[in-house]
Amino acid sequence: DIQMTQSPSSLSASVGDRVTITCRASQSISSYLNWYQQKPGKAPKLLIYAASSLQSGVPSRFSGSGSGTDFTLTISSLQPEDFATYYCQQSYSTPPATFGQGTRLEIK
Amino acid sequence: EVQLVESGGGLVQPGRSLRLSCTASGFTFGDYAMSWFRQAPGKGLEWVGFIRSKAYGGTTEYAASVKGRFTISRDDSKSIAYLQMNSLKTEDTAVYYCTRDIEYSHGIYYFDYWGQGTLVTVSS
Repeated sequence: DIQMTQSPSSLSASVGDRVTITCRASQSISSYLNWYQQKPGKAPKLLIYAASSLQSGVPSRFSGSGSGTDFTLTISSLQPEDFATYYCQQSYSTPPATFGQGTRLEIK
Repeated sequence: EVQLVESGGGLVQPGRSLRLSCTASGFTFGDYAMSWFRQAPGKGLEWVGFIRSKAYGGTTEYAASVKGRFTISRDDSKSIAYLQMNSLKTEDTAVYYCTRDIEYSHGIYYFDYWGQGTLVTVSS
């Protein structure tokens, strides 16, 4: 199975900050990388698919980049509603679909 | 509006069975593959398995941790996906989510809508 590793595991930031979360795959996954946001007690929500395509309805402050093994999720200007846990997930070699361990984004 | 609603969770003893349902609305259910995921308390997301659409044979795949114990099925006439869980273990305790799967390349999917989840607690 392909292993996904996110960094950092947790992050403190302030409203208005630019934030970047990194995801690394254990082998090349082309651009088959997706990002999800999860708030406490809620289901995950798709933000980005195919590494850089913004899901409909997701604010444009979210962006994704990368290919091969290294990927990033960037939030250009943090809003209060963005404090959540973020997961990357690879679709290249499935089953199984595998996720990173998550990055918890907290208010500084 | 796409909606997925899971039901059937609850407290069950180890070794017993439980069936979860995922009722879909707002889209043509039969056209989509559907997946199940789970999240143990305080942990990350784990893929459980999925079922392809009838156009792709309606076949299933499972995670190694549940293969042989869990079975996914679908009733396209009712827009429901099922997760039959047998021989439950304490480590199966989790919130279970169903998803609608979008195929963006042959056999490669992402998960665009998630249900709200249903909690399964396996304990004596």
